Amino acid sequence: EVHLVESGGGLVQPGGSLRLSCTASGFPFSSFWMTWVRQAPVRGLEWVANIKQDGSGKYYVDSVKGRFTISRDNAKNSLYLQMNSLRAEDTAIYYCVSYSDGWNEAYWGQGTLVTVSS
Amino acid sequence: DVVMTQSPLSLPVTLGQPASISCRSSQSLVYSDGNTYLNWFQQRPGQSPRRLIYKVSNRDSGVPDRFSGSGSGTDFTLKISRVEAEDVGIYYCMHATHWPPAFGPGTKLEIK
Repeated sequence: EVHLVESGGGLVQPGGSLRLSCTASGFPFSSFWMTWVRQAPVRGLEWVANIKQDGSGKYYVDSVKGRFTISRDNAKNSLYLQMNSLRAEDTAIYYCVSYSDGWNEAYWGQGTLVTVSS
Repeated sequence: DVVMTQSPLSLPVTLGQPASISCRSSQSLVYSDGNTYLNWFQQRPGQSPRRLIYKVSNRDSGVPDRFSGSGSGTDFTLKISRVEAEDVGIYYCMHATHWPPAFGPGTKLEIK
């Protein structure tokens, strides 16, 4: 059975930093693209960043470029998101999502809540 | 960026009756490899999204066959042949053809 478990969310002040983690099991982690998707009440579901199987390609949406960094450790079946210079509009549930080449398989974690507020 | 729209945004349905959700994209979702990367997700209350359909019409493992997807180019449809109580939730279409991937605003299905 596939499991994706996020951690690291919490309350942070504007301008602060957080590091999210996602631990995966039940599928060949190193063969899957990994992604962070966030969900905020007003803006709905939004793609944040994704990373290729071997970590050689990283892609970010414009709103987080230069502030967020996605990374992975295939030896630990883990995905990370370093979030710096956080803003109120980054407040959301952050989901870890995995998908195979061609999108034949896709899995979501349960999410971790990030709240940016003073 | 490709914009995804859905209609209706609210869908009250009687148990046992069919339901249909439309999804439209601002550009064709046919990728250079010939595939159309259009997915449908279901989000039940208090849960994370779960994928139902991939590449327009392929059901994910464990998805009941009352769910079906169709369409091409820029127009897509998710149909539920007979709505059950467990189908209550929000349904999202999502494309993965262009960068960045994008979701529709969601359609909230409720029981009348």
